[in-house]
Amino acid sequence: QAGLTQPPSVSKGLRQTATLTCTGNSSNVGNQGASWLQQHQGHPPKLLSYRNNNRPSGISERFSASRSGNTASLTITGLQPEDEADYYCSAWDSSLTGWVFGGGTKLTVL
Amino acid sequence: QLQLQESGPGLVEPSETLSLACTVSGDSISSYSYYWGWIRQPPGKGLEWIGSIYYSGSTYYNPSLKSRVTISVDTSKNQFSLKLSSVTAADTAVYYCARAITGTTYYFDYWGQGTLVTVSS
Repeated sequence: QAGLTQPPSVSKGLRQTATLTCTGNSSNVGNQGASWLQQHQGHPPKLLSYRNNNRPSGISERFSASRSGNTASLTITGLQPEDEADYYCSAWDSSLTGWVFGGGTKLTVL
Repeated sequence: QLQLQESGPGLVEPSETLSLACTVSGDSISSYSYYWGWIRQPPGKGLEWIGSIYYSGSTYYNPSLKSRVTISVDTSKNQFSLKLSSVTAADTAVYYCARAITGTTYYFDYWGQGTLVTVSS
């Protein structure tokens, strides 16, 4: 099953801004948009944003998402040590009639 | 507060069938606009969607697993289940159940803690 493409790793300094990308196609990201999940080691994924830039209650405003064509992005401002985690994008794929995930990006906060 | 809890054997022998259940508390599994899904994560790897089910029994499966997967729902127990047949070591993973929002947008909002299933003799 074709998945979404994410860079394997991103490293940024404390208090800097990181932008993570997620590339799909017109059947998934370009059609329904993407959601973003954060996963700390040993824990289940946690929803950060959905429908491109809606945040669940309790999620910091430092996390913002956007979409341009078939690519979704997650921007994290003012990086904190606790932001170090794996980040996954997910989307509904209308041609596959199912969900697809990106391979995940490991964010390191230096 | 919605909670999901996976349960089932942590060790399955090769060629056997993996069986897991997900018990939902804090909301009815029969609520409109929600699908209920299974996602897995092999050790050190990314997330893979297995399949999802609506309370009516309507299902969607990952094409790569479809021939081996059955997902069912028991509304009386507020529970849904996963069966994966003919397992191999490649099916060793943490298995998560999750609630899926569907309709005008699609995403997984609540996740269980996950359960590690090891395929080994």
